[in-house]
Amino acid sequence: GQSLEQPSEVTAVEGAIVQINCTYQTSGFYGLSWYQQHDGGAPTFLSYNALDGLEETGRFSSFLSRSDSYGYLLLQELQMKDSASYFCAPLAAGNKLTFGGGTRVLVKP
Amino acid sequence: DAMVIQNPRYQVTQFGKPVTLSCSQTLNHNVMYWYQQKSSQAPKLLFHYYDKDFNNEADTPDNFQSRRPNTSFCFLDIRSPGLGDAAMYLCATSRSRTDSYEQYFGPGTRLTVT
Repeated sequence: GQSLEQPSEVTAVEGAIVQINCTYQTSGFYGLSWYQQHDGGAPTFLSYNALDGLEETGRFSSFLSRSDSYGYLLLQELQMKDSASYFCAPLAAGNKLTFGGGTRVLVKP
Repeated sequence: DAMVIQNPRYQVTQFGKPVTLSCSQTLNHNVMYWYQQKSSQAPKLLFHYYDKDFNNEADTPDNFQSRRPNTSFCFLDIRSPGLGDAAMYLCATSRSRTDSYEQYFGPGTRLTVT
Protein backbone atom coordinates (compact mmCIF):
# COMPACT_ATOMS: atom_id res chain seq x y z
CA GLY A 1 0.00 0.00 0.00
CA GLN A 2 0.89 3.65 0.09
CA SER A 3 1.76 5.84 3.03
CA LEU A 4 2.81 9.45 3.32
CA GLU A 5 3.92 11.38 6.36
CA GLN A 6 4.57 15.07 6.81
CA PRO A 7 4.19 17.27 9.89
CA SER A 8 0.78 18.81 10.33
CA GLU A 9 1.90 22.28 11.33
CA VAL A 10 5.00 24.44 11.60
CA THR A 11 5.28 27.95 13.03
CA ALA A 12 8.19 30.29 12.37
CA VAL A 13 9.00 34.00 12.28
CA GLU A 14 9.68 36.17 9.27
CA GLY A 15 13.17 35.71 7.92
CA ALA A 16 13.57 32.25 9.40
CA ILE A 17 14.17 28.93 7.62
CA VAL A 18 11.65 26.12 7.70
CA GLN A 19 12.17 22.52 6.60
CA ILE A 20 9.15 20.35 5.86
CA ASN A 21 9.98 16.66 5.83
CA CYS A 22 8.11 14.05 3.86
CA THR A 23 8.47 10.31 4.07
CA TYR A 24 6.65 8.12 1.63
CA GLN A 25 6.02 4.52 0.78
CA THR A 26 4.63 3.88 -2.64
CA SER A 27 4.97 1.42 -5.48
CA GLY A 28 6.33 2.47 -8.85
CA PHE A 29 7.87 5.71 -7.56
CA TYR A 30 8.94 8.23 -10.21
CA GLY A 31 9.61 11.37 -8.20
CA LEU A 32 8.35 13.81 -5.57
CA SER A 33 6.40 17.01 -6.20
CA TRP A 34 5.64 19.85 -3.81
CA TYR A 35 2.61 22.12 -3.94
CA GLN A 36 1.62 25.25 -2.05
CA GLN A 37 -1.99 26.08 -1.22
CA HIS A 38 -3.16 29.29 0.42
CA ASP A 39 -6.41 29.21 2.37
CA GLY A 40 -9.30 29.25 -0.07
CA GLY A 41 -6.95 28.98 -3.02
CA ALA A 42 -5.90 26.31 -5.47
CA PRO A 43 -2.73 24.25 -5.12
CA THR A 44 0.18 25.63 -7.11
CA PHE A 45 3.19 23.65 -8.22
CA LEU A 46 6.48 24.47 -6.50
CA SER A 47 9.03 21.84 -7.47
CA TYR A 48 9.70 18.29 -8.58
CA ASN A 49 12.60 15.96 -7.80
CA ALA A 50 13.05 12.93 -10.03
CA LEU A 51 16.64 12.33 -8.97
CA ASP A 52 18.44 12.37 -5.63
CA GLY A 53 19.73 15.72 -4.52
CA LEU A 54 18.77 19.30 -4.06
CA GLU A 55 16.76 21.47 -6.47
CA GLU A 56 16.78 25.19 -5.82
CA THR A 57 14.17 27.63 -7.02
CA GLY A 58 14.65 31.04 -5.49
CA ARG A 59 13.92 30.97 -1.77
CA PHE A 60 12.54 27.44 -1.96
CA SER A 61 14.59 24.27 -2.32
CA SER A 62 13.53 20.65 -2.46
CA PHE A 63 15.54 17.55 -1.69
CA LEU A 64 15.05 13.88 -2.45
CA SER A 65 16.70 10.69 -1.25
CA ARG A 66 15.18 7.77 -3.10
CA SER A 67 17.05 5.19 -1.03
CA ASP A 68 15.55 6.64 2.16
CA SER A 69 12.09 7.31 0.65
CA TYR A 70 12.48 10.78 2.04
CA GLY A 71 12.31 14.33 0.83
CA TYR A 72 12.03 17.81 2.20
CA LEU A 73 11.03 21.29 1.19
CA LEU A 74 13.17 24.12 2.51
CA LEU A 75 11.67 27.57 2.79
CA GLN A 76 14.25 30.28 3.32
CA GLU A 77 13.93 33.96 4.25
CA LEU A 78 10.35 33.34 5.27
CA GLN A 79 7.82 36.01 4.35
CA MET A 80 4.29 36.53 5.61
CA LYS A 81 2.97 35.49 2.20
CA ASP A 82 4.52 32.06 2.72
CA SER A 83 1.82 31.25 5.27
CA ALA A 84 0.03 28.40 3.52
CA SER A 85 -0.29 24.64 3.41
CA TYR A 86 2.45 22.68 1.69
CA PHE A 87 1.81 19.23 0.24
CA CYS A 88 4.32 16.63 -0.77
CA ALA A 89 3.02 14.43 -3.57
CA PRO A 90 4.82 11.36 -4.87
CA LEU A 91 4.38 10.62 -8.54
CA ALA A 92 3.93 6.89 -8.79
CA ALA A 93 2.49 4.05 -10.83
CA GLY A 94 0.07 5.27 -13.45
CA ASN A 95 1.71 8.71 -13.43
CA LYS A 96 -0.62 9.82 -10.66
CA LEU A 97 0.07 12.18 -7.79
CA THR A 98 -0.95 11.25 -4.28
CA PHE A 99 -1.05 14.24 -1.97
CA GLY A 100 0.16 14.02 1.60
CA GLY A 101 -1.92 15.43 4.43
CA GLY A 102 -0.24 18.80 4.13
CA THR A 103 1.85 20.92 6.46
CA ARG A 104 0.34 24.17 7.55
CA VAL A 105 3.06 26.84 7.82
CA LEU A 106 2.27 29.86 9.93
CA VAL A 107 4.66 32.78 9.61
CA LYS A 108 4.64 35.29 12.44
CA PRO A 109 6.01 38.84 12.36
CA ASP B 1 -3.44 34.28 -19.98
CA ALA B 2 -3.69 30.54 -20.37
CA MET B 3 -5.55 29.06 -17.47
CA VAL B 4 -7.91 26.54 -15.91
CA ILE B 5 -11.40 27.87 -15.30
CA GLN B 6 -14.05 26.36 -13.10
CA ASN B 7 -17.71 27.27 -12.98
CA PRO B 8 -19.45 27.95 -10.82
CA ARG B 9 -17.15 28.93 -7.96
CA TYR B 10 -19.86 28.15 -5.44
CA GLN B 11 -22.66 25.66 -5.91
CA VAL B 12 -25.47 24.84 -3.54
CA THR B 13 -27.55 21.76 -4.22
CA GLN B 14 -30.13 19.80 -2.35
CA PHE B 15 -29.62 16.33 -1.00
CA GLY B 16 -30.19 13.89 -3.86
CA LYS B 17 -30.48 16.54 -6.58
CA PRO B 18 -28.05 15.97 -9.47
CA VAL B 19 -25.42 18.60 -9.99
CA THR B 20 -22.82 19.24 -12.68
CA LEU B 21 -19.56 21.10 -12.20
CA SER B 22 -17.61 22.32 -15.19
CA CYS B 23 -13.99 22.92 -16.01
CA SER B 24 -12.37 24.42 -19.06
CA GLN B 25 -8.75 25.00 -19.97
CA THR B 26 -6.96 27.20 -22.46
CA LEU B 27 -3.61 25.47 -21.94
CA ASN B 28 -4.30 22.79 -24.56
CA HIS B 29 -3.14 20.18 -22.10
CA ASN B 30 -3.70 16.52 -22.82
CA VAL B 31 -4.57 15.40 -19.29
CA MET B 32 -7.41 16.61 -17.06
CA TYR B 33 -8.07 15.61 -13.46
CA TRP B 34 -10.84 15.97 -10.91
CA TYR B 35 -9.98 16.09 -7.23
CA GLN B 36 -12.13 16.30 -4.14
CA GLN B 37 -10.77 18.27 -1.20
CA LYS B 38 -12.49 18.38 2.15
CA SER B 39 -11.67 20.92 4.80
CA SER B 40 -8.08 20.66 6.09
CA GLN B 41 -7.45 17.54 4.03
CA ALA B 42 -5.37 16.71 1.00
CA PRO B 43 -6.83 16.74 -2.50
CA LYS B 44 -8.07 13.27 -3.38
CA LEU B 45 -8.02 12.15 -7.01
CA LEU B 46 -11.43 11.05 -8.28
CA PHE B 47 -10.60 10.38 -11.94
CA HIS B 48 -8.60 11.66 -14.85
CA TYR B 49 -8.52 11.68 -18.62
CA TYR B 50 -5.52 11.06 -20.82
CA ASP B 51 -6.99 12.70 -23.90
CA LYS B 52 -10.27 10.76 -24.23
CA ASP B 53 -9.08 7.80 -22.18
CA PHE B 54 -11.04 7.83 -18.90
CA ASN B 55 -9.39 6.54 -15.72
CA ASN B 56 -11.45 6.04 -12.61
CA GLU B 57 -9.91 5.66 -9.16
CA ALA B 58 -10.89 2.40 -7.50
CA ASP B 59 -12.43 4.12 -4.47
CA THR B 60 -14.36 6.80 -6.35
CA PRO B 61 -18.07 6.26 -5.62
CA ASP B 62 -20.33 5.34 -8.52
CA ASN B 63 -22.28 8.46 -7.70
CA PHE B 64 -19.52 10.45 -9.41
CA GLN B 65 -19.28 10.50 -13.18
CA SER B 66 -17.27 12.55 -15.64
CA ARG B 67 -17.40 13.61 -19.24
CA ARG B 68 -14.79 15.15 -21.49
CA PRO B 69 -16.45 16.14 -24.76
CA ASN B 70 -13.33 17.79 -26.16
CA THR B 71 -9.80 18.78 -25.18
CA SER B 72 -10.87 21.99 -23.50
CA PHE B 73 -13.81 20.93 -21.37
CA CYS B 74 -14.41 18.43 -18.60
CA PHE B 75 -17.48 17.92 -16.43
CA LEU B 76 -18.07 16.32 -13.06
CA ASP B 77 -21.55 14.93 -12.51
CA ILE B 78 -22.75 13.99 -9.06
CA ARG B 79 -25.88 11.95 -9.59
CA SER B 80 -27.30 11.99 -6.08
CA PRO B 81 -25.30 14.24 -3.78
CA GLY B 82 -25.16 13.32 -0.15
CA LEU B 83 -24.14 15.48 2.78
CA GLY B 84 -20.75 13.79 2.71
CA ASP B 85 -20.11 15.10 -0.80
CA ALA B 86 -19.87 18.68 0.40
CA ALA B 87 -16.33 19.69 -0.48
CA MET B 88 -14.13 21.75 -2.76
CA TYR B 89 -13.85 20.17 -6.20
CA LEU B 90 -10.66 20.97 -8.02
CA CYS B 91 -10.00 20.53 -11.70
CA ALA B 92 -6.40 20.26 -12.84
CA THR B 93 -4.48 19.73 -16.05
CA SER B 94 -1.05 18.54 -17.07
CA ARG B 95 0.70 18.86 -20.39
CA SER B 96 1.02 15.12 -20.88
CA ARG B 97 1.03 11.85 -19.00
CA THR B 98 4.76 12.10 -18.35
CA ASP B 99 4.39 15.67 -17.09
CA SER B 100 1.84 14.65 -14.45
CA TYR B 101 4.19 15.84 -11.71
CA GLU B 102 3.32 19.43 -12.63
CA GLN B 103 -0.39 20.05 -12.54
CA TYR B 104 -2.22 23.32 -13.09
CA PHE B 105 -5.24 23.75 -10.87
CA GLY B 106 -8.37 25.77 -11.35
CA PRO B 107 -9.74 27.86 -8.47
CA GLY B 108 -12.19 25.14 -7.48
CA THR B 109 -15.93 24.86 -6.99
CA ARG B 110 -17.13 24.76 -3.41
CA LEU B 111 -20.14 22.47 -3.22
CA THR B 112 -22.66 22.78 -0.40
CA VAL B 113 -25.33 20.11 0.02
CA THR B 114 -28.42 21.10 1.99
